[in-house]
Amino acid sequence: GAVVSQHPSRVICKSGTSVKIECRSLDFQATTMFWYRQFPKQSLMLMATSNEGSKATYEQGVEKDKFLINHASLTLSTLTVTSAHPEDSSFYICSARDAFGGTDTQYFGPGTRLTVL
Amino acid sequence: GENVEQHPSTLSVQEGDSAVIKCTYSDSASNYFPWYKQELGKRPQLIIDIRSNVGEKKDQRIAVTLNKTAKHFSLHITETQPEDSAVYFCAASKEGGGGNKLTFGTGTQLKVEL
Repeated sequence: GAVVSQHPSRVICKSGTSVKIECRSLDFQATTMFWYRQFPKQSLMLMATSNEGSKATYEQGVEKDKFLINHASLTLSTLTVTSAHPEDSSFYICSARDAFGGTDTQYFGPGTRLTVL
Repeated sequence: GENVEQHPSTLSVQEGDSAVIKCTYSDSASNYFPWYKQELGKRPQLIIDIRSNVGEKKDQRIAVTLNKTAKHFSLHITETQPEDSAVYFCAASKEGGGGNKLTFGTGTQLKVEL
């Protein structure tokens, strides 16, 4: 099946710093990527939809100036958590939609564990 | 927007027994229903999906049923094995013009006991 990678897998940072997370589709082109946040023992909550070449669409309650998304190419989307605080500590997962594969199936990256001290 | 409810939140079965997880959705326009398996600290893995043009789909020990009228769908795992232990999420979306945003259920922690 389609492969999605995420980097880094784990990051620890100090409060007030910014962290960039990369999401790549390795063997397919993704016009749309999605960013989710998952707190321990909870479900995946969609943060934003990232469209190649256009501005991301954010879900209600997600601050676009705090969670910057850039979808620079058909295989890469980045999420930057700006001025991170301890409450931003979470598991961030991206997914990519293989719209050219005949279905709209989403494939998930392995996730990034962010810990803000 | 779409709302997906999932039950039960935890499910414990004996090895070899069947497990059933149920989900309901609110938006009658939803037409794509995937199920994901997530092990601790890992990515969600698609295990089976169903589209609204069929009522049932089976893949070896896993099957999914869909009742569009009642707006509910279920995951059935037969002959459960310890490696089936994980958290299972159902989801719903609108393919083809709906942006394909997945709305997830709250998850079911399945434990298969020896």
